[in-house]
Amino acid sequence: KNEVEQSPQNLTAQEGEFITINCSYSVGISALHWLQQHPGGGIVSLFMLSSGKKKHGRLIATINIQEKHSSLHITASHPRDSAVYICAGPQGGSEKLVFGKGTKLTVNP
Amino acid sequence: GAVVSQHPSRVICKSGTSVKIECRSLDFQATTMFWYRQFPKQSLMLMATSNEGSKATYEQGVEKDKFLINHASLTLSTLTVTSAHPEDSSFYICSAIKVKDTQYFGPGTRLTVL
Repeated sequence: KNEVEQSPQNLTAQEGEFITINCSYSVGISALHWLQQHPGGGIVSLFMLSSGKKKHGRLIATINIQEKHSSLHITASHPRDSAVYICAGPQGGSEKLVFGKGTKLTVNP
Repeated sequence: GAVVSQHPSRVICKSGTSVKIECRSLDFQATTMFWYRQFPKQSLMLMATSNEGSKATYEQGVEKDKFLINHASLTLSTLTVTSAHPEDSSFYICSAIKVKDTQYFGPGTRLTVL
């Protein structure tokens, strides 16, 4: 069982819809990362958070340490948001990251 | 935010040649960098931990003589794929630790071995 589980695996939305991607982890972590990977492959770090909520533009990330759960929300989604979104958490107290399998988001115009 | 660069972004080479990929932290010093590999439609897999001034630590199953890592300065780590073969074709990504729990990713290097 992967220590970091994401859902859904695939998500298709219409432009303008509110998107939620979920991430659950089974071990205690100090910080959770949300990453974005576009079809070309390049990875962009969206958020690193250890508590509460962070917002950047139309992106919002929340984390509940007690429930070991994090969500990434996209408001007013746009086709350019189409990408794979990956959550990752440190492995066993180290700086090594364990990655979820990713959520492939497709936003149709 | 902190910036990590990789060079080259894409490389195509012939089987049997060696390829060097650079990972640089542009605006901070990183004593620790990580190298990841990603196969198509799969998640990132940690290959090794690169520590400045010491030998890299490789994950189980990763051949250290195949994937040479040198972290010669606080802003540069290099990954050399030696005697590359088509099965080494992959997307290689580095990340750098700025301070605890802040890990910044490079944009990745796509290696194609013919």
